[in-house]
Amino acid sequence: GEDVEQSLFLSVREGDSSVINCTYTDSSSTYLYWYKQEPGAGLQLLTYIFSNMDMKQDQRLTVLLNKKDKHLSLRIADTQTGDSAIYFCAGVTGFQKLVFGTGTRLLVSP
Amino acid sequence: DGGITQSPKYLFRKEGQNVTLSCEQNLNHDAMYWYRQDPGQGLRLIYYSQIVNDFQKGDIAEGYSVSREKKESFPLTVTSAQKNPTAFYLCASSPGQGSTGELFFGEGSRLTVL
Repeated sequence: GEDVEQSLFLSVREGDSSVINCTYTDSSSTYLYWYKQEPGAGLQLLTYIFSNMDMKQDQRLTVLLNKKDKHLSLRIADTQTGDSAIYFCAGVTGFQKLVFGTGTRLLVSP
Repeated sequence: DGGITQSPKYLFRKEGQNVTLSCEQNLNHDAMYWYRQDPGQGLRLIYYSQIVNDFQKGDIAEGYSVSREKKESFPLTVTSAQKNPTAFYLCASSPGQGSTGELFFGEGSRLTVL
């Protein structure tokens, strides 16, 4: 089945760009997702990318997909303190069964 | 407003007790899911249901049970057989086949076993 891996922690300064990386194993995932989780809350979908795309941009967010290396990244431009959260990447396996990575905790300092 | 409601938000239980976590959605979604979240381990799938009166085990179903008698509701029971039940539980739903697979999450229920 799908296995998704992420680094656990990233610290940046306000105004810098943040890049969160993810690797996955199942090349048949149709969609790949980025979710954001604020403390004590559920997950919210930030963006997703279809597997036949290389890049998707949505305001401050840029998703890059390298299918050959099975690598997904999320770049947040001009990172703000409100971006501090846990970020999960996820792939879909079987009938809409999402498999999540371990999550990357992003800490943005002023 | 449409969404997913989980209750209670916080729950304390003594060892040996069963507890039931509620999950209700008014999004008219076919599929519903329960995930467990532990620090540093991401989300792990407990059970999922693609349609009313049908559900399947996820990766860590032992010690848990569910029912799906109504489209809107997917309660999770944490039984006394679950050896380490203290965790954050997340319920989610999705529109079902033909969608992008996006999951919509509730705010979670934190269970602590004393």
